[in-house]
Amino acid sequence: QVQLQESGPGLVKPSETLSLTCTVSGGSINSYYWSWIRQPPGKGLEWIGYIYDTGTTKYNPSLKSRVTISADTSKHQFFLKLSSVTAADTAVYYCARRSYDDSSAYYFDVWGRGSLVTVSS
Amino acid sequence: QTVLTQPPSASGTPGQRVTISCSGSSSNIGSNPVNWYQQVPGMAPKLLIYNNDHRPSGVPDRFSGSKFGTSASLAISGLQSEDEADFYCAVWDDSLNGHVVFGGGTKLTVL
Repeated sequence: QVQLQESGPGLVKPSETLSLTCTVSGGSINSYYWSWIRQPPGKGLEWIGYIYDTGTTKYNPSLKSRVTISADTSKHQFFLKLSSVTAADTAVYYCARRSYDDSSAYYFDVWGRGSLVTVSS
Repeated sequence: QTVLTQPPSASGTPGQRVTISCSGSSSNIGSNPVNWYQQVPGMAPKLLIYNNDHRPSGVPDRFSGSKFGTSASLAISGLQSEDEADFYCAVWDDSLNGHVVFGGGTKLTVL
């Protein structure tokens, strides 16, 4: 079955750019929406954005000015870049597959294990 | 401040039925299907209910979802100790050019 694995630095300095990679294995990266979702320690989930295999992206309005999601379908990978980070960006970052059913209802059905990123000098 | 309102906590004893509410607005729950996720501490969230009331394969029928107007509910019957987790509702919000919103989460304790 499809599995997702996040990778990237666990520590990022304030004002720098957070970069994460999600590797998709066991299935196709095509015809799905691939998302990033984060969870600050002890808090709830926050959707960051998604990319469709055609390259179409959509971002959380609250993060839009700092976020870029891209993909390399040949490598079965998609990426997150979050610029100008502060301590408030410290969180576990999850990548997830956004699937849909026959009625075009969308949902996150496959999740990575998550990657803790701490913003600190 | 979250767009979807959930009670921060819920509890029940084994065998009981518990419901968790999720209140939104016309731009989200009122217009789009609701999903529910279960998160055991230290683990990634898991899809529990999609499209308001559909269960993915492998999810016991003790879990059920419903939606009415701008609110949704998750019901857990025959509560078991392993159900203790955080539960999140999520839905597409049509405002601000569209985006996904999550509820603040409800921590379920099995007494």
